[in-house]
Amino acid sequence: KAGVTQTPRYLIKTRGQQVTLSCSPISGHRSVSWYQQTPGQGLQFLFEYFSETQRNKGNFPGRFSGRQFSNSRSEMNVSTLELGDSALYLCASSTGQGRAETQYFGPGTRLLVL
Amino acid sequence: AQSVTQLGSHVSVSEGALVLLRCNYSSSVPPYLFWYVQYPNQGLQLLLKYTSAATLVKGINGFEAEFKKSETSFHLTKPSAHMSDAAEYFCAVSVTGNQFYFGTGTSLTVIP
Repeated sequence: KAGVTQTPRYLIKTRGQQVTLSCSPISGHRSVSWYQQTPGQGLQFLFEYFSETQRNKGNFPGRFSGRQFSNSRSEMNVSTLELGDSALYLCASSTGQGRAETQYFGPGTRLLVL
Repeated sequence: AQSVTQLGSHVSVSEGALVLLRCNYSSSVPPYLFWYVQYPNQGLQLLLKYTSAATLVKGINGFEAEFKKSETSFHLTKPSAHMSDAAEYFCAVSVTGNQFYFGTGTSLTVIP
């Protein structure tokens, strides 16, 4: 099976702009989770989508939003970018059936905000 | 509340020496625990996971971890370090659904 893919791999934006990141899960997986990774804060959970519905949400401002399509592909949007949004954004997919499940991570999108 | 603490942000070992990476957890429910590895410019790869079956869990690349409830620990070990083990290692606890809490990571350096 193909792994989790994320596009684009690298992005450069300026403050105030918005950005959309895409994640294609492993075939058959219905859950997609998003994480932000920074040197200072480590890996932080943003949100999880399952069957097109947001099922869990982390502690991030409303500028961070997401959605999931019927084919389980997910997009994450960040509006009004701030310098502190520079990070590696990782998505992970799983079947979504329980806490003991393995999450499979994509390679990430590295976002630089200038 | 759920959380994970990884003691030692940087660990250096000689090639062939024992690798020990520490992870302590806090969980209000029986925990499901995971170790992931991240190589430079890559995503996270699962090494092993504990899901309340055997307390000693064997993973890929010769790694294993032991769940000790009394110590709330889930330390990762490998008997003999290899140069290819140099990477960032993350311990995580699964909370609800697919929400993971990750530790801050331990960077492993292997000295030839």
